[in-house]
Amino acid sequence: QKEVEQNSGPLSVPEGAIASLNCTYSDRGSQSFFWYRQYSGKSPELIMFIYSNGDKEDGRFTAQLNKASQYVSLLIRDSQPSDSATYLCAVYGSSNTGKLIFGQGTTLQVKP
Amino acid sequence: ETGVTQTPRHLVMGMTNKKSLKCEQHLGHNAMYWYKQSAKKPLELMFVYSLEERVENNSVPSRFSPECPNSSHLFLHLHTLQPEDSALYLCASSIRGDGELFFGEGSRLTVL
Repeated sequence: QKEVEQNSGPLSVPEGAIASLNCTYSDRGSQSFFWYRQYSGKSPELIMFIYSNGDKEDGRFTAQLNKASQYVSLLIRDSQPSDSATYLCAVYGSSNTGKLIFGQGTTLQVKP
Repeated sequence: ETGVTQTPRHLVMGMTNKKSLKCEQHLGHNAMYWYKQSAKKPLELMFVYSLEERVENNSVPSRFSPECPNSSHLFLHLHTLQPEDSALYLCASSIRGDGELFFGEGSRLTVL
């Protein structure tokens, strides 16, 4: 079983729609969860992080965490073509070795 | 300069060459990382340095040798690499050694 699992996509949504990106993880002791966005040919950039169960909103982005189900998601409201990118889910493990584990990423395409 | 700077941005080397990748961060962060990004694979953590001390060596072959002379600089020395080592090598830094990483633009390595 992969430590952090994402559907590689591509996920295609029309402009203005809600894009829903999902991620599951295997380490039940994981403490913190991150979403990075990576445009083609660029490096990843942090867009959201969440530590507690529930929802966390930042502008058009909402991160959702359910530790019991070992599930984290990212919702993008009013999707724009500029949101087209690969979204990487990352999980900080329960040990103190500084190990941030990334998923493979989901490619999102927002069509005008 | 600001952020995390990596040089060179592109590198082509033969299997018998010795080269080095350089990373410099201007953010005052305490931790620095090397990640490897290959096509269709998740980001792979290679090395972590916290306050100039290596705290993670993620089973990386000895042909990759990291060096962290101070908290602002990180090197990855390369020798006798294999074609399968061709990838994007990303340097990152964080203030707390947790999952909030700032990435450089990466060094695209091709091993012939």
